[in-house]
Amino acid sequence: DARVTQTPRHKVTEMGQEVTMRCQPILGHNTVFWYRQTMMQGLELLAYFRNRAPLDDSGMPKDRFSAEMPDATLATLKIQPSEPRDSAVYFCASGSGQLLGDTQYFGPGTRLTVL
Amino acid sequence: AQKITQTQPGMFVQEKEAVTLDCTYDTSDQSYGLFWYKQPSSGEMIFLIYQGSYDEQNATEGRYSLNFQKARKSANLVISASQLGDSAMYFCAMRDYNNAGNMLTFGGGTRLMVKP
Repeated sequence: DARVTQTPRHKVTEMGQEVTMRCQPILGHNTVFWYRQTMMQGLELLAYFRNRAPLDDSGMPKDRFSAEMPDATLATLKIQPSEPRDSAVYFCASGSGQLLGDTQYFGPGTRLTVL
Repeated sequence: AQKITQTQPGMFVQEKEAVTLDCTYDTSDQSYGLFWYKQPSSGEMIFLIYQGSYDEQNATEGRYSLNFQKARKSANLVISASQLGDSAMYFCAMRDYNNAGNMLTFGGGTRLMVKP
C-alpha cells in the first residue's frame, strides 16, 4: 500500500529557529505539492513541483520559506527563521500528474508549533 | 479565479441515514475535475471520489456518490448508510485543465457528525 510519508509528525520549536520538514512521495509520482492548513485560512497551496522542478511557489512567503526536491524520493520545506504565525499543519501530497482526474495523495502531515 | 464554496460548516446525521454535503464551484473553464477528501480527527487527508467535467454519469465509490449538476455548478457528496466512522471534516476541491500546475483549490470544509 503505497503512501506519502512525512517527517517529523510533530515539531515544537522556538521563534527564530530553522525548521525542516521532509516528504517522500509515492514511488513513480512526478508531482509534489506542499500545503499548509490553519483554522483561519484552511488549506493553502505553498509550492508545487513537477519532475523535481519548482513550477509554482507563489503561495509561499519567499523571505523565510524554501522548498526543494534534492531527488525524486525527497521533498523538503524549510522555514528560516520560524515565527509563531507559521504554526500550522503542513501537508505534502503527490500525484502522477498525467490526467485531469489525477488524484493527489496526501501524507499524514507535520504539525508545527512555533513558540 | 477558481472558487469552491461549502456552505455547511457543520452537519449532524443519524447513523444509518444518508447525508448530502454541498459543494458549489465557480470556473470559466470547460475541462475540470472535482474531488472530495475526508479528514478525520487523526488529521490525514483521505481521497474519496472524483468527478470529471465531461463525465456523463455521476461518480460512485462504495457508499459515496457525487451528485454532479454541471449547469448549476454543484458537486454534492452523498454518503449513504452513515456510520460512526464517517464523522470527520469533508473537503471539496477542484482542478481545472487549463491550470498547468494541476493545483487543487479547496473549499472551507464541512464537519459531519454522525449520531448513534
